[in-house]
Amino acid sequence: GQNIDQPTEMTATEGAIVQINCTYQTSGFNGLFWYQQHAGEAPTFLSYNVLDGLEEKGRFSSFLSRSKGYSYLLLKELQMKDSASYLCAVRDGTGGGNKLTFGTGTQLKVEL
Amino acid sequence: NAGVMQNPRHLVRRRGQEARLRCSPVKGHSHVYWYRQLPEEGLKFMVYLQKENIIDESGMPKERFSAEFPKEGPSILRIQQVVRGDSAAYFCASSPSRPDTQYFGPGTRLTVL
Repeated sequence: GQNIDQPTEMTATEGAIVQINCTYQTSGFNGLFWYQQHAGEAPTFLSYNVLDGLEEKGRFSSFLSRSKGYSYLLLKELQMKDSASYLCAVRDGTGGGNKLTFGTGTQLKVEL
Repeated sequence: NAGVMQNPRHLVRRRGQEARLRCSPVKGHSHVYWYRQLPEEGLKFMVYLQKENIIDESGMPKERFSAEFPKEGPSILRIQQVVRGDSAAYFCASSPSRPDTQYFGPGTRLTVL
């Protein structure tokens, strides 16, 4: 089975940097994803890690350590529009499957 | 390019009725996934389909729920004899192949009265 933990809420200031952590216990690990979800909208893909290390994409970076079962999403130069829920998801490739198991999400509030 | 499309966006049903949720994947994507999001909870996997095949239905309730992805047309998630506990947002996602990133549709918000 899968177990994914991430903080429920975080608050940060516009222009600052925020790090959202995610820890997981899983079988059949085949990659970790971060999605952004604004209230009432679809989750939007942000980043993907399957190997250890840092992946950078503009203002967003994601890090993975498979041995520690740990990932983080780093958001730089925060903007008000970054206020959203950030979802950590682990892919299970067991038996040819491709399902994602999601954490409950971290609600980020960006303040002036 | 059109993304994943779902309809209806909002669906209201009375207890005991049937709900049919439709999902058209991104053009060229042959893998479809359904997830359910209950209020204040995370997205939960329900089923993974390829054209005409169910690959993984480990998250699907054993009764009242079924899914299909026919050779032609959209994927359908069908809920028979709905109950209030079925009220949730149902999201569909698609990918071009199995290990690829899943892209989500806008969801169908089902309300059971």
